Amino acid sequence: GIQVEQSPPDLILQEGANSTLRCNFSDSVNNLQWFHQNPWGQLINLFYIPSGTKQNGRLSATTVATERYSLLYISSSQTTDSGVYFCAADNYGQNFVFGPGTRLSVLP
Amino acid sequence: ETGVTQSPTHLIKTRGQQVTLRCSSQSGHNTVSWYQQALGQGPQFIFQYYREEENGRGNFPPRFSGLQFPNYSSELNVNALELDDSALYLCASSPTGQETQYFGPGTRLLVL
Repeated sequence: GIQVEQSPPDLILQEGANSTLRCNFSDSVNNLQWFHQNPWGQLINLFYIPSGTKQNGRLSATTVATERYSLLYISSSQTTDSGVYFCAADNYGQNFVFGPGTRLSVLP
Repeated sequence: ETGVTQSPTHLIKTRGQQVTLRCSSQSGHNTVSWYQQALGQGPQFIFQYYREEENGRGNFPPRFSGLQFPNYSSELNVNALELDDSALYLCASSPTGQETQYFGPGTRLLVL
């Protein structure tokens, strides 16, 4: 099945800084999503982005399907951005596979 | 539009017992998936239901079973609980014809 890797595993930022999170996947995908998991465990949809670029406020994401990676950009980070960011991918009907996550801590 | 809801929020069971977790998907969503998330790890796919039929299964033993009802709500049943079943159980639903998954708040299960 498809393999999903994320980097870095941990990231500590000062409030206001920018960051880039990376997701690599081992095969072609028909579904790729980025999630933010808050401290209470709720997975919040950030982007559905099997290809192309999307932006939502301070967040944007780019997926280069031919090179099998996706990037999540966080600009002007805030303390409320802290949590774990997951990338998950589905390879045409196989399991929806999550990466191990990037734990982000934004310090005031 | 109501979101995905799950019940109960927390549950404590002892080894060997059976548990049923419930999920109500969003209106218009006919696909429901269940995931297990152990502490410090990413969620792992258990199985998916589409129109009341199992439509895919991850690497979980048969003591993990499920149901989807005509109103597209769903249950996850786990028999003969083991200590390693302690985890956050997440339910996700997808709109008809779309791939995007929307997650509920989860049920935290502790097996003693």
